[in-house]
Amino acid sequence: DAKTTQPPSMDCAEGRAANLPCNHSTISGNEYVYWYRQIHSQGPQYIIHGLKNNETNEMASLIITEDRKSSTLILPHATLRDTAVYYCIVRVPSGGYQKVTFGTGTKLQVIP
Amino acid sequence: NAGVTQTPKFRVLKTGQSMTLLCAQDMNHEYMYWYRQDPGMGLRLIHYSVGEGTTAKGEVPDGYNVSRLKKQNFLLGLESAAPSQTSVYFCASFERDRNTEAFFGQGTRLTVV
Repeated sequence: DAKTTQPPSMDCAEGRAANLPCNHSTISGNEYVYWYRQIHSQGPQYIIHGLKNNETNEMASLIITEDRKSSTLILPHATLRDTAVYYCIVRVPSGGYQKVTFGTGTKLQVIP
Repeated sequence: NAGVTQTPKFRVLKTGQSMTLLCAQDMNHEYMYWYRQDPGMGLRLIHYSVGEGTTAKGEVPDGYNVSRLKKQNFLLGLESAAPSQTSVYFCASFERDRNTEAFFGQGTRLTVV
């Protein structure tokens, strides 16, 4: 699995868009980008994933660069409840043994 | 549909004691993973399984053993607990051949004194 690099922390004003970057320069052609978040010490929660096209769901948008070496998770209108650690991971969805590893993530603090 | 359930939720062990953490999923998932999370740190992979009867080592396997005798259960064992194993343990599962997300349990908080 490719490694990912994320900034350790970010602040965002409540109501503004939060843009969380992730670098995955060694990603392979068949690896998907997944985003999860962890609120307090709860189990990580799935947010969104994509391969090469931009994706949007009710929680967030995912923008993947054309060369797929980086991506950005966008929370369009951040609320205090979005304060959490956000993890970006890459993995192949099928076949063989897969070490699905998490880095240290980005701690997002939404400020009132 | 309970998803992923971890048992127990909390436990205090004395150094040298043994215990087994249970992860159970009711989604018929092939892949199951055990992670540990230390304070202020990310999740680190301990062991994982890609199917019944198969297991593999992750990033930090020392001091732990695992078994996957039934597809729905993934057991994590500590044979001789050490204070360094004080952590929160998370289990996750997901389908093998589909582009879907992982489902996580709510964690087991283990303290070794």
